[in-house]
Amino acid sequence: GQQLNQSPQSMFIQEGEDVSMNCTSSSIFNTWLWYKQDPGEGPVLLIALYKAGELTSNGRLTAQFGITRKDSFLNISASIPSDVGIYFCAGHYAGNMLTFGGGTRLMVKP
Amino acid sequence: GAVVSQHPSWVICKSGTSVKIECRSLDFQATTMFWYRQFPKQSLMLMATSNEGSKATYEQGVEKDKFLINHASLTLSTLTVTSAHPEDSSFYICSASDSSGVSYNEQFFGPGTRLTVL
Repeated sequence: GQQLNQSPQSMFIQEGEDVSMNCTSSSIFNTWLWYKQDPGEGPVLLIALYKAGELTSNGRLTAQFGITRKDSFLNISASIPSDVGIYFCAGHYAGNMLTFGGGTRLMVKP
Repeated sequence: GAVVSQHPSWVICKSGTSVKIECRSLDFQATTMFWYRQFPKQSLMLMATSNEGSKATYEQGVEKDKFLINHASLTLSTLTVTSAHPEDSSFYICSASDSSGVSYNEQFFGPGTRLTVL
């Protein structure tokens, strides 16, 4: 079946830093989505991308749907403490089913 | 966005007992509901997809007789973990969508249910 490789698996951030994470797939998707999950909560949609090449922003977040339809990235600019959490990419091909990436855990540098 | 609730938010049960988890769409009619399982530090894994009024479709490796899914109305789906064992301890998350078409319709996620089996 389809698999999504998400990297990095985890990263430490310092307040004010920009953050970048990406997902790659062995096959194409028609929709790419980025979610954030806080501990003990369900995932919350951050950005949805519907077209190859699409670049979409949501506040300090920017995501792009790769032109090959097999990858996507998410950037967070000027990170703040509440950005800490787990970020998941997800891809949709057909039938409303989503395939999730392994997640990127964002932590604050001590 | 649309609101999806889950009940209970956490449950602790003894091994061998059955546990029922409810998923409700509060302000829209959910044609399709999905059940996911998430183990610690892992991603969400789809267990099954259910359409209102029909039998659920289970993912490979998910026992349909162990994880009973009922989607009797457009606002409620239930997942019953039968004869639960410690290895069933996990975070169960449902999501709901108001379409079952080919193109993507947003899934709205519930807050999750933490199941601990002793």
